[in-house]
Amino acid sequence: KNQVEQSPQSLIILEGKNCTLQCNYTVSPFSNLRWYKQDTGRGPVSLTIMTFSENTKSNGRYTATLDADTKQSSLHITASQLSDSASYICVVNPGGYNKLIFGAGTRLAVHP
Amino acid sequence: DGGITQSPKYLFRKEGQNVTLSCEQNLNHDAMYWYRQDPGQGLRLIYYSQIVNDFQKGDIAEGYSVSREKKESFPLTVTSAQKNPTAFYLCASSIGGKRSSYNEQFFGPGTRLTVL
Repeated sequence: KNQVEQSPQSLIILEGKNCTLQCNYTVSPFSNLRWYKQDTGRGPVSLTIMTFSENTKSNGRYTATLDADTKQSSLHITASQLSDSASYICVVNPGGYNKLIFGAGTRLAVHP
Repeated sequence: DGGITQSPKYLFRKEGQNVTLSCEQNLNHDAMYWYRQDPGQGLRLIYYSQIVNDFQKGDIAEGYSVSREKKESFPLTVTSAQKNPTAFYLCASSIGGKRSSYNEQFFGPGTRLTVL
């Protein structure tokens, strides 16, 4: 069964600290993996996308990694800001026509 | 100002009523989707449409209906047959087809539906 599991479910960190969110997937075939940020009460917004051949991709303070052999991805946030408080959703695209597999998300709270 | 709009932002429904959620996009995307989001769960696909006048059931289509009469619009009707409709509903669109292997889906701001 195609699944995407994220950990932890929730996380609280202090402003300025770093954190890493995890995503494990059992999706086959695999086309790409995307991390979305979802602010409370808003729609998700794409942060990064990684294909099979990519190991690392950065977007400002966000750095995503992908290990296609172990089917694991991580999202590292550096020097967190209050505005980073949101849910982060890992999404795997098996390829073909448009049906994505969503993780349940990690809810991050950054406190001053 | 390009993007996806959803209305209303908040919607209250009495039991036994049908309600329709609006989704409009001006991105010239072929594909559109409806998702349901519940606390602690990943987004679940309700319906999707690859092209005008065609749509397919997703994983949880029971109790919902859609239409795709125009490329820009993909309204979702939550019928009285949906037993637990209280949720956050997200509409998305993408270029679709084989034109984009990355297949990024762009999401609207969502509609929160509450059954009274």
